[in-house]
Amino acid sequence: ETGVTQSPTHLIKTRGQQVTLRCSSQSGHNTVSWYQQALGQGPQFIFQYYREEENGRGNFPPRFSGLQFPNYSSELNVNALELDDSALYLCASSTTSGGIGDEQFFGPGTRLTVL
Amino acid sequence: AQKITQTQPGMFVQEKEAVTLDCTYDTSDPSYGLFWYKQPSSGEMIFLIYQGSYDQQNATEGRYSLNFQKARKSANLVISASQLGDSAMYFCAMREMSSGNTGKLIFGQGTTLQVKP
Repeated sequence: ETGVTQSPTHLIKTRGQQVTLRCSSQSGHNTVSWYQQALGQGPQFIFQYYREEENGRGNFPPRFSGLQFPNYSSELNVNALELDDSALYLCASSTTSGGIGDEQFFGPGTRLTVL
Repeated sequence: AQKITQTQPGMFVQEKEAVTLDCTYDTSDPSYGLFWYKQPSSGEMIFLIYQGSYDQQNATEGRYSLNFQKARKSANLVISASQLGDSAMYFCAMREMSSGNTGKLIFGQGTTLQVKP
């Protein structure tokens, strides 16, 4: 069974650019959530995708957008990058869209640095 | 207001001893779940243990146990017989019924645990 994978591992961009991060969910999982983790902080929920539709969103501006594909892999797109977007971006997959006790399986993350 | 509070930025423990990592939470939902995750320096979040708000008994998973005190809104993680590989960042997280079916997890600030040989 393949776990959650993310690409790229590291990325350096300049302010104002756009970036796309990718996530492959664990086999059998149809739900993907994205989190932003600033240095020294806990992860913050960005949004969740379930069956190719956005299924909930945290307190992030519209320049953070996403996609989920028929194979349940997902992309996180960030436009007009700002310095504060520098963070570890974590993807998590699960088998359902959000039962209270549902375990989310996290990938290794993508470290984004905005200069 | 902080939904999840972890008051210990850093903790040290001697190898083979037990350690308790504190977590308090704030919610008005009657139904919620509490999670603990371990994050090594590699970055991946590793699930450790789960406690549901209606669970009568404290959760245990191997060397991990959760000291759940509902009236005090605390969910402390106890690691018994610490090992060098336990050195990592530990996060307490909560999922509320009011999040609907979004699966949204709310994380605390984390506690860095260092195990001394």
